[in-house]
Amino acid sequence: QQQVKQSPQSLIVQKGGISIINCAYENTAFDYFPWYQQFPGKGPALLIAIRPDVSEKKEGRFTISFNKSAKQFSLHIMDSQPGDSATYFCAAKETGNQFYFGTGTSLTVIP
Amino acid sequence: DAGITQSPRHKVTETGTPVTLRCHQTENHRYMYWYRQDPGHGLRLIHYSYGVKDTDKGEVSDGYSVSRSKTEDFLLTLESATSSQTSVYFCASNSESNQPQHFGDGTRLSIL
Repeated sequence: QQQVKQSPQSLIVQKGGISIINCAYENTAFDYFPWYQQFPGKGPALLIAIRPDVSEKKEGRFTISFNKSAKQFSLHIMDSQPGDSATYFCAAKETGNQFYFGTGTSLTVIP
Repeated sequence: DAGITQSPRHKVTETGTPVTLRCHQTENHRYMYWYRQDPGHGLRLIHYSYGVKDTDKGEVSDGYSVSRSKTEDFLLTLESATSSQTSVYFCASNSESNQPQHFGDGTRLSIL
């Protein structure tokens, strides 16, 4: 059973456009929500993260929006660039040690 | 990066053979993790360690064992490899459980 549901599976965006990736969860014990970026042949790298007491966090062109009541969170990439083409994973951690990852979104930004 | 090295980076082996993957970190992180990455499943936790000789199971631990005899090394062993264990394996570490995990670049394992 997938603890964190991620959509879409793949996304194609024009350069300069906005990329939006969504994740949903059911476990109310989750207390930390990171997003990871992964390039081919590399391990995932932390992009941005949020905790449930905050509704939005912005770092440069990357923004996490968090809706605690709906149990949903999303990643917005503003002014998307070809260099942003990668696979993105959302994740959630419950109190303790275990992280649960979404199934990933393959983003392609067309020049 | 957190200085995590995985070895080997690629391995091809036959069904029924034992396989050991190694993860080495230079950050003195307390926590270490082994994941497998498969299309349509994302990353799934196999085992993790919260200190030397302290390990616990993740959501897909069947057929795998781990050992951690030193802070910097975390070994993943497939006692008798099966084709269903063909995957890309990632090691990760963090200093505290509520901190971001840092990942290695993975081991691509093919079991024929």
